[in-house]
Amino acid sequence: AQSVTQPDIHITVSEGASLELRCNYSYGATPYLFWYVQSPGQGLQLLLKYFSGDTLVQGIKGFEAEFKRSQSSFNLRKPSVHWSDAAEYFCAVGAKGYSTLTFGKGTMLLVSP
Amino acid sequence: EAEVAQSPRYKITEKSQAVAFWCDPISGHATLYWYRQILGQGPELLVQFQDESVVDDSQLPKDRFSAERLKGVDSTLKIQPAELGDSAMYLCASSPGTGYSGANVLTFGAGSRLTVL
Repeated sequence: AQSVTQPDIHITVSEGASLELRCNYSYGATPYLFWYVQSPGQGLQLLLKYFSGDTLVQGIKGFEAEFKRSQSSFNLRKPSVHWSDAAEYFCAVGAKGYSTLTFGKGTMLLVSP
Repeated sequence: EAEVAQSPRYKITEKSQAVAFWCDPISGHATLYWYRQILGQGPELLVQFQDESVVDDSQLPKDRFSAERLKGVDSTLKIQPAELGDSAMYLCASSPGTGYSGANVLTFGAGSRLTVL
């Protein structure tokens, strides 16, 4: 069975500072990996995805993530955080030929002035 | 941009009452999902449809929950009777379907927030 661990429940970052949110997955084969963002009371919006190829993937809103097979990780990064980035971030894993996604418990990002 | 429509956005009900949620996926999307998200947790799959057929309902509490997608388009999720522990956000998502490009890319609706008193 596949699973996702997001070790940080909350992270606080100063506006303009860099950000890294951690994600570790467990899956026997090559995973499909995703990051979604959720604003309060809203649905989930896809930030970026990794299926294969280049292990550094670019997403919307200036986010990027790097797939590291040896560490079973898919960490999300942003060089300079804006106040509007405050939200909850979810990492998810899927598999080729099986479209259901398994989500982590999320990391709440707080942005301080 | 195409969206997944859900209604109602908010529902407050009393314990033991019946409640229903509706979802209209992106046009042409064969796969439809219902996820439940308890406050402070990640979404968990309740049921997955491929067209009108159930693909996975292993986590659906079938004694009180039911879901249908009769014509393979929109879907209804019903809870009867509602319990206090059912308070959560119910998220609907859709994707193009197995074998299609982007099959694994789920697009989510805004969700239906249920509060059971």
